[in-house]
Amino acid sequence: QKEVEQNSGPLSVPEGAIASLNCTYSDRGSQSFFWYRQYSGKSPELIMSIYSNGDKEDGRFTAQLNKASQYVSLLIRDSQPSDSATYLCAATSWGYSTLTFGKGTMLLVSP
Amino acid sequence: EAQVTQNPRYLITVTGKKLTVTCSQNMNHEYMSWYRQDPGLGLRQIYYSMNVEVTDKGDVPEGYKVSRKEKRNFPLILESPSPNQTSLYFCASLALAQNTGELFFGEGSRLTVL
Repeated sequence: QKEVEQNSGPLSVPEGAIASLNCTYSDRGSQSFFWYRQYSGKSPELIMSIYSNGDKEDGRFTAQLNKASQYVSLLIRDSQPSDSATYLCAATSWGYSTLTFGKGTMLLVSP
Repeated sequence: EAQVTQNPRYLITVTGKKLTVTCSQNMNHEYMSWYRQDPGLGLRQIYYSMNVEVTDKGDVPEGYKVSRKEKRNFPLILESPSPNQTSLYFCASLALAQNTGELFFGEGSRLTVL
């Protein structure tokens, strides 16, 4: 059974701080990794994807991947109250036949 | 506008009464999938389809059926709903050729089975 594990949170950070969200995965065959953001009552939306070891930056977001440790992280710099949401980590092997999601980490950014 | 449309958005039904949740996408995506989301359990895949007439089970297929007769449509069928199928359901699609892994989700269908 392929598993993606996340701390459920909530992770509480003050406005302007760096939020660090972590994820581990069990399937060593996983090749592609994604972070989705889900606001309460809404559908998930993709915010970051990463395929290679190392860091990938997009605006205030940085995704980090370490395949040897089977670890994925998402850093959110200068956190804003509008970043308060549940963040879902997902992993898939090539071909996207099954995309496995973690249970999500709730992030709360206080003004 | 590119979108995935699910219907109905909200439904209350009774045990054993067959129902279908429709899903349609206008992006010509090959891949479509159904997920259910439950508190504490996250998003779990029910069924997926890599293309027309090609469907496969996800992690929690019991009690569900799907069909993919047209590329744009991927209905989820509950032949005999039970209370444990009360959940929030999401349909999603993805363009395999673009290789981005970006799933486009519908707005969700909240189903209650009494």
